[in-house]
Amino acid sequence: SQTIHQWPATLVQPVGSPLSLECTVEGTSNPNLYWYRQAAGRGLQLLFYSVGIGQISSEVPQNLSASRPQDRQFILSSKKLLLSDSGFYLCAGQGITYNSPLHFGNGTRLTVT
Amino acid sequence: DAKTTQPNSMESNEEEPVHLPCNHSTISGTDYIHWYRQLPSQGPEYVIHGLTSNVNNRMASLAIAEDRKSSTLILHRATLRDAAVYYCIGGSNTGNQFYFGTGTSLTVIP
Repeated sequence: SQTIHQWPATLVQPVGSPLSLECTVEGTSNPNLYWYRQAAGRGLQLLFYSVGIGQISSEVPQNLSASRPQDRQFILSSKKLLLSDSGFYLCAGQGITYNSPLHFGNGTRLTVT
Repeated sequence: DAKTTQPNSMESNEEEPVHLPCNHSTISGTDYIHWYRQLPSQGPEYVIHGLTSNVNNRMASLAIAEDRKSSTLILHRATLRDAAVYYCIGGSNTGNQFYFGTGTSLTVIP
């Protein structure tokens, strides 16, 4: 089965500082990978998804970027954080089998101060 | 994207069945319907998914309308551990995009 690893669990960063969140996948090859953000008390907003190494699709124009340097590694970055970047960031993976469900990591709670 | 509509909240008594509805009128013919649930401060957990036929697993049952414009997640006997936010998704397997709505917050009353 597929396991999604995310770290850190919590992060407090000042406005204007850079960000790098890493997600790694265990248990499957060539997964589709996703980054979501969840504001407090809200639903999940799809930020980026990737179907392969170096292939990134952005859903929402924003202060963030994503990269996939390896098959099982997905990175979310920002050069300068904004207060509005605060939220709960979730990485998810999907197996290559058609209609496979998503498996989520435990998330990173980011607070920008 | 395949948008979904769910009630904001529902309540159920413990040990009773729960029917969680979802409307997905814009779903395409090849999109599967997925359900996930999320406990506070955790990532969502997969519950069940299906295309056209009703589906059952150890967690729940999924009843899909014949026109596929709506579905219902059925928890046969609600427990306190079932209290969570339940999300219905009209997943896009062709586009690889899974859009979550606001979900239904289920409260289970002891």
